[in-house]
Amino acid sequence: AQSVTQPDIHITVSEGASLELRCNYSYGATPYLFWYVQSPGQGLQLLLKYFSGDTLVQGIKGFEAEFKRSQSSFNLRKPSVHWSDAAEYFCAVATRGLAGGTSYGKLTFGQGTILTVHP
Amino acid sequence: EAQVTQNPRYLITVTGKKLTVTCSQNMNHEYMSWYRQDPGLGLRQIYYSMNVEVTDKGDVPEGYKVSRKEKRNFPLILESPSPNQTSLYFCASSLSVNRPQHFGDGTRLSIL
Repeated sequence: AQSVTQPDIHITVSEGASLELRCNYSYGATPYLFWYVQSPGQGLQLLLKYFSGDTLVQGIKGFEAEFKRSQSSFNLRKPSVHWSDAAEYFCAVATRGLAGGTSYGKLTFGQGTILTVHP
Repeated sequence: EAQVTQNPRYLITVTGKKLTVTCSQNMNHEYMSWYRQDPGLGLRQIYYSMNVEVTDKGDVPEGYKVSRKEKRNFPLILESPSPNQTSLYFCASSLSVNRPQHFGDGTRLSIL
């Protein structure tokens, strides 16, 4: 069965510092990978996604992520963090469901990483 | 306004009393999904639907039922709720799983 691991429960960085949030996945076939962000009391917002092609993908709000098949990783990065980036970040993988077929509808999330930004 | 509407937003109920959480979207989305969110566990998918009459299990389907009789609605049914189903529930919809999902405001369920 597929799984997603975010090793860091909580990360604290200073405003302006660089950021890397780690994500490792387990899935036997090619996955679809996502990063979502959740602000307190809100639903999730999609930051970026990877399906195929260039392994470095750009997203909204200045975020990027790199897919490394050999390491089963999809780490999220930002060169300079802003105070408004403080939130909880979720990595997710889409896979085929139990019903089979070719549709990637089953979505498995990691446990989340809480980002705190110090001024 | 494009939106996903969940009802109720809050519910306190007792073990064994059947309940339904409704979810409706007005964006003609084919893909809809239910999640529960618990501290330290992130979001876990309960069920999803690729289209009308097409549903499949997520990671934590036990104790839940869903139906997708029409495109806009995707209710979540707890036939016999138990305290371990106390959680924050989100419904979401999108054109497909690889497109940004629109989330409802959440339903906080407490089962005593």
